[in-house]
Amino acid sequence: AQKVTQAQTEISVVEKEDVTLDCVYETRDTTYYLFWYKQPPSGELVFLIRRNSFDEQNEISGRYSWNFQKSTSSFNFTITASQVVDSAVYFCALSEVWAGANNLFFGTGTRLTVIP
Amino acid sequence: DSGVTQTPKHLITATGQRVTLRCSPRSGDLSVYWYQQSLDQGLQFLIQYYNGEERAKGNILERFSAQQFPDLHSELNLSSLELGDSALYFCASSVEENEQFFGPGTRLTVL
Repeated sequence: AQKVTQAQTEISVVEKEDVTLDCVYETRDTTYYLFWYKQPPSGELVFLIRRNSFDEQNEISGRYSWNFQKSTSSFNFTITASQVVDSAVYFCALSEVWAGANNLFFGTGTRLTVIP
Repeated sequence: DSGVTQTPKHLITATGQRVTLRCSPRSGDLSVYWYQQSLDQGLQFLIQYYNGEERAKGNILERFSAQQFPDLHSELNLSSLELGDSALYFCASSVEENEQFFGPGTRLTVL
């Protein structure tokens, strides 16, 4: 069975601090995708990144970076020099691709508050 | 703007009633997904359609049903509504196995 765990329920940081959001997943599949989505106070879900299970390269996009480690089943997300606009709930998700279905299993989310 | 549209944005109704939520996917996306976000259950997958056919089912109640039409828009029908059905309902679309883009959601309140 698949499972995504985001152990950090809430995190508060002061603006310009770096922050890492943890994500640990469980799956029996060898082919899967991992995602991060952002849900700002306005409520929409914004796609941030998708990573497939065969690509363990870390990725950096501006102030965002992601660390995928298959050995520990983790896909952590770091925001460098946080800003108030980063305040949101962040969801990690897993997709197992079988028979054309690729629905997302979400973690419970981490609420990030960036204090000015 | 993700390109996925959902209507209505808000819906307030009474227990026992039936409602229909509508979703238009991004241009070119054949897959449509429905998710429910509630305080106690979090974000849960309900159902997926691909080019008009049901492809996967999640924790969708028997009182709920969905369909995808030839123009690829989708509708989620919720009937015999209960207080616990109050939630934010998201539609998402994707091209095959690629990332899913979410609509703004429909907030359903059952009184």
